[in-house]
Amino acid sequence: KAGVTQTPRYLIKTRGQQVTLSCSPISGHRSVSWYQQTPGQGLQFLFEYFSETQRNKGNFPGRFSGRQFSNSRSEMNVSTLELGDSALYLCASSPTSGGYGELFFGEGSRLTVL
Amino acid sequence: AQTVTQSQPEMSVQEAETVTLSCTYDTSENNYYLFWYKQPPSRQMILVIRQEAYKQQNATENRFSVNFQKAAKSFSLKISDSQLGDTAMYFCAFMNYGGSQGNLIFGKGTKLSVKP
Repeated sequence: KAGVTQTPRYLIKTRGQQVTLSCSPISGHRSVSWYQQTPGQGLQFLFEYFSETQRNKGNFPGRFSGRQFSNSRSEMNVSTLELGDSALYLCASSPTSGGYGELFFGEGSRLTVL
Repeated sequence: AQTVTQSQPEMSVQEAETVTLSCTYDTSENNYYLFWYKQPPSRQMILVIRQEAYKQQNATENRFSVNFQKAAKSFSLKISDSQLGDTAMYFCAFMNYGGSQGNLIFGKGTKLSVKP
């Protein structure tokens, strides 16, 4: 069974640009969560989607948005990039929402903002 | 608000020895889950072990075991017979019972190095 796939793995953007990251969950998983990982703040929850509906959202500005498609694939978008958005963005999938905390993570998309 | 604290930013252990990673948390809830996740260098994070707060028995997974002290809000991870492949960042995490996946709250992590 294929794991969680995130694309692209690495990308470099400049301030003011926007970026879209993609996540394909494990087959059969309907929940996709996104986390931002930085050395200073650690792992911070961005949002969770389940069956195309946003179930939960973390404390991030509106520049951070996401969506989920009918095949459970998810995208997150960051507009008007700032230097502080440089981070590893992790996607995680799970069979259910409101479940048991066992998340299956992808390898992440490392974003550098110059 | 719930918080998770890992007081050891870095630790090292000799191969085959035992090491214990510390984690404390703060919550007013009575039902919740606790987790240890492992993030090897440049590889994806994986779940190591899970503990339900209502269970008094400490969870065990092969060489990994926890010491769950509910009253003290403490949740340490013991790794026995450490192996080179155990080198990784270890994150303690908390989730309210019945919460969505988004309610996973992570500590800042402990970087564990296993030395040959």
